[in-house]
Amino acid sequence: LAKTTQPISMDSYEGQEVNITCSHNNIATNDYITWYQQFPSQGPRFIIQGYKTKVTNEVASLFIPADRKSSTLSLPRVSLSDTAVYYCLVGEPRQLTFGSGTQLTVLP
Amino acid sequence: GAVVSQHPSWVICKSGTSVKIECRSLDFQATTMFWYRQFPKQSLMLMATSNEGSKATYEQGVEKDKFLINHASLTLSTLTVTSAHPEDSSFYICSALETGGKETQYFGPGTRLLVL
Repeated sequence: LAKTTQPISMDSYEGQEVNITCSHNNIATNDYITWYQQFPSQGPRFIIQGYKTKVTNEVASLFIPADRKSSTLSLPRVSLSDTAVYYCLVGEPRQLTFGSGTQLTVLP
Repeated sequence: GAVVSQHPSWVICKSGTSVKIECRSLDFQATTMFWYRQFPKQSLMLMATSNEGSKATYEQGVEKDKFLINHASLTLSTLTVTSAHPEDSSFYICSALETGGKETQYFGPGTRLLVL
């Protein structure tokens, strides 16, 4: 049973805000929600991690509703260089399982 | 963020030879590191968990005698692919668990292995 469900792909235009939603109905009490970005032939890059409510850093925001059964990664004003695969992972940080991720393509 | 390096970034070897890949946490100590493998157009698959000073824990289906892992210090883990074959050609990625604040895995840049 997959722990997370996220769209396979999304397209956006430069300068727009992009929201990628991840469903995780079976999230456990000890589970954190972590998002990574991966470019081709590179290792994943940590974007943001949260447990509940809202987390914001210099790169993105993560919105987590009270029931924690989903989360939304928000990327403000994307650029062409944000074209990548974005992974939503749910679990204890030392037990991560990667799903298929979301291929975000930013168009000019 | 925390920095993890890998060496080499790519390697080509002949079938039957062994290849060693190093993973280093540059600005933090990591008692736990992880090794993943990623085939083209696929997601990362965890191979094993490397624990400093003890034996690695391998995922089901990963041959521990073929993929030797050593984690001799708090900043270095090595993966040795023994008697490599063409089907071992893949992208190998390590990560290190940073536990200073919230626990977070930070990933290395990956190593591309091509076995001829």
